[in-house]
Amino acid sequence: DTGVSQNPRHKITKRGQNVTFRCDPISEHNRLYWYRQTLGQGPEFLTYFQNEAQLEKSRLLSDRFSAERPKGSFSTLEIQRTEQGDSAMYLCASSGWGFSPLHFGNGTRLTVT
Amino acid sequence: TQLLEQSPQFLSIQEGENLTVYCNSSSVFSSLQWYRQEPGEGPVLLVTVVTGGEVKKLKRLTFQFGDARKDSSLHITAAQPGDTGLYLCAGEWASGTYKYIFGTGTRLKVLA
Repeated sequence: DTGVSQNPRHKITKRGQNVTFRCDPISEHNRLYWYRQTLGQGPEFLTYFQNEAQLEKSRLLSDRFSAERPKGSFSTLEIQRTEQGDSAMYLCASSGWGFSPLHFGNGTRLTVT
Repeated sequence: TQLLEQSPQFLSIQEGENLTVYCNSSSVFSSLQWYRQEPGEGPVLLVTVVTGGEVKKLKRLTFQFGDARKDSSLHITAAQPGDTGLYLCAGEWASGTYKYIFGTGTRLKVLA
């Protein structure tokens, strides 16, 4: 069990640029989650997958956000035309079958200047 | 919109004191989890409660799920500096969905 891996750890980008983050879950986990967290707040749900199927995407997300999990393994989260309000920590988590805890990565911190 | 409100938002106490953190909602959750998060890291699971009225203990931490499964509490006895961190509750939105909504968080600082 190597844990959930997220890359990059930090990303600084200029407003209007596109960014893509990668999450590698624990290998046997079938569910994968993306959350966004601002300083001192609880994580905000963005979307989640069961295997390669995206089950739900938060209505809070604009169409600039898209996530994929093409082979049911790693996942990518893309933000197009970034805005300063997108600055946050983006957390990925995975879990196994049934009542299985969420195992989080250490996140990707995005700063939009 | 946060459906799970935690209180207090911030708490600073001396080592050895007791404290309680609350997690409240107007919605019923089929299960609820508590996590602790340290700076620069992802949250780490402390406990899962499933049954209304359930009480679980983890060393000096006691967790309770409300009878109606709308609220939960975390009680820490004789807090230590190592307990410092952001405490988060997370509820399963609907049974069998495994979609977890997190609370607003309680930042605890224990002073030596």
